[in-house]
Amino acid sequence: DVKVTQSSRYLVKRTGEKVFLECVQDMDHENMFWYRQDPGLGLRLIYFSYDVKMKEKGDIPEGYSVSREKKERFSLILESASTNQTSMYLCASTTGTGRTEAFFGQGTRLTVV
Amino acid sequence: RKEVEQDPGPFNVPEGATVAFNCTYSNSASQSFFWYRQDCRKEPKLLMSVYSSGNEDGRFTAQLNRASQYISLLIRDSKLSDSATYLCVALDWGTGNQFYFGTGTSLTVIP
Repeated sequence: DVKVTQSSRYLVKRTGEKVFLECVQDMDHENMFWYRQDPGLGLRLIYFSYDVKMKEKGDIPEGYSVSREKKERFSLILESASTNQTSMYLCASTTGTGRTEAFFGQGTRLTVV
Repeated sequence: RKEVEQDPGPFNVPEGATVAFNCTYSNSASQSFFWYRQDCRKEPKLLMSVYSSGNEDGRFTAQLNRASQYISLLIRDSKLSDSATYLCVALDWGTGNQFYFGTGTSLTVIP
């Protein structure tokens, strides 16, 4: 079974803190994605990556950055957390062809206070 | 305009009922389509892929109409355990393998 693991289920951080969300997949997938999910807005793409050290902006990259130093790991960084970044964050991965379904991590519910 | 549009519901149906969800997509270049199920406070999980010819998996039937750019999901003989949010997803292989998610349709099956 494909496994996508996010480092934390729940996080509470203070405004202005630098926050790291980690995601690891064990199926040698080339593509990895970070989404946030908010009520009524659905999943919105923050960043994605096709390969190690490659990254592409999604629909809402402002206030975020990413890092992919190893194929299996894709990190999302909130440079200076703000209350409007309180959300559910979901990591996903797919194979290199990208023509198959996305596999999701269990999600990280981040609260910024 | 959203890439994928779904009726958010909620749909409240009795056990044993048949319920249908529809979704439309705007990107005609989308090539693959999926239905995901998401339980409260959990991650989305693949329910089924959707093929042009239509496909069935037990009580679930998915249909794709490329001409009209809509996707449907039919659930027969609803169970309490079917209560969840159902996400319609379109995948465009061309634009960086981008997934486009609908906002989801909420289903509650009532005893």
